[in-house]
Amino acid sequence: NAGVMQNPRHLVRRRGQEARLRCSPMKGHSHVYWYRQLPEEGLKFMVYLQKENIIDESGMPKERFSAEFPKEGPSILRIQQVVRGDSAAYFCASSRAGGDNEQFFGPGTRLTVL
Amino acid sequence: AQRVTQPEKLLSVFKGAPVELKCNYSYSGSPELFWYVQYSRQRLQLLLRHISRESIKGFTADLNKGETSFHLKKPFAQEEDSAMYYCALRPTSGSRLTFGEGTQLTVNP
Repeated sequence: NAGVMQNPRHLVRRRGQEARLRCSPMKGHSHVYWYRQLPEEGLKFMVYLQKENIIDESGMPKERFSAEFPKEGPSILRIQQVVRGDSAAYFCASSRAGGDNEQFFGPGTRLTVL
Repeated sequence: AQRVTQPEKLLSVFKGAPVELKCNYSYSGSPELFWYVQYSRQRLQLLLRHISRESIKGFTADLNKGETSFHLKKPFAQEEDSAMYYCALRPTSGSRLTFGEGTQLTVNP
């Protein structure tokens, strides 16, 4: 089991472009969580998804950010019209189920906005 | 609202010395508390959780509800313990984790 996979590991975008971050959960996991880590800060929850459902998006910025976890394929975190403040490490975690199931983390995608 | 505070960004000790990484939380209900660790060039991984009450790699942490703390302790630090440590909280009714800002532990030879 390769664990949670994220790609790309590093992503550079210019202001105004779109960023797409992908997360493939561990085998057998159907729950995905996205966290963002700004420089010098801890990880902050963004969104929690199950297959084809958004369960909790209370940590997502109201504009420009969206997430999906389709029936087939990886979960996608999409940032439209990126700004410099979006530069951060974005971590994905997956779990077998919700609640008290352990979350396993991916290696993260480091987004740099020029 | 829930909040996790790790007052020390950096902590440096010598090998063999005791180490304590502090974590305080605020939450109105009964949370679950965790310690996660990130070794250099590795991904974040769970170290221990308060409900399991076990010792992992010599580390223990006790939930003190009166002081709302969940400090991580090890009696004799090893060089391989050098890493970034994050304290995290999860409400008993939810799934999202709230992390502290992390403490970078360095164990010197």
